[in-house]
Amino acid sequence: EVQLLESGGGLVQSGGSLRLSCAASGFTFSSYAMSWVRQAPGKGLEWVSIISGSGGSTYYADSVKGRFTISRDNSKNTLYLQMNRLRAEDTAVYYCAKHFYDDSGHFEYWGKGTLVTVSS
Amino acid sequence: QSVLTQPPSVSGAPGQRVTISCTGSSSNIGAGYDVHWYQQLPGTAPKVLIYGNSNRPSGVPDRFSGSKSGTSASLAITGLQAEDEADYYCQSYDSSLSGYVFGTGTKVTVL
Repeated sequence: EVQLLESGGGLVQSGGSLRLSCAASGFTFSSYAMSWVRQAPGKGLEWVSIISGSGGSTYYADSVKGRFTISRDNSKNTLYLQMNRLRAEDTAVYYCAKHFYDDSGHFEYWGKGTLVTVSS
Repeated sequence: QSVLTQPPSVSGAPGQRVTISCTGSSSNIGAGYDVHWYQQLPGTAPKVLIYGNSNRPSGVPDRFSGSKSGTSASLAITGLQAEDEADYYCQSYDSSLSGYVFGTGTKVTVL
């Protein structure tokens, strides 16, 4: 059974940093791309970043480019999102999601999410 | 700002058929990128309902179906049930943005 468990969310001041983690199990982690998707309170879904299975390719939404860094440790089956220079508009539930392929595809499985609140 | 447009809400009585549209452009749906649909029940994470325009993952009832034509896609729910009350999102890839995009979301209400 595929399981994705996010952690690391919390309350942080504007301009601060936070690192999210996503522990994966139930599949060959290194064989699949992973993404972070966020949802602001009462709003829709917004894709944040993707990393390929090998970790060699990463892409970001314009809204976080230059501030967020996605990474993965395939030996620990863990996905990360380093968030710097946080803004109030980054407040959201952050979901990690497993893609269907090693470099793309739909979001096949989702974690339960972790809430990040940025206070101004 | 979402580049895929959905109606904010649709509603129907139990047993009825409802459809949700997803309108994109030549840089996403119209460029040939697949459309996927997700269901988000209240207070839970999204779950894939339709992938690759019209494919259902195992476990998803065949009451749900998807289609795509030109720069738009649609999700149909037949035999509407109370448990179908949820938010629904379409999703694709946009070559102009070089990233994944979601629809604005549609709330389905069962009357």
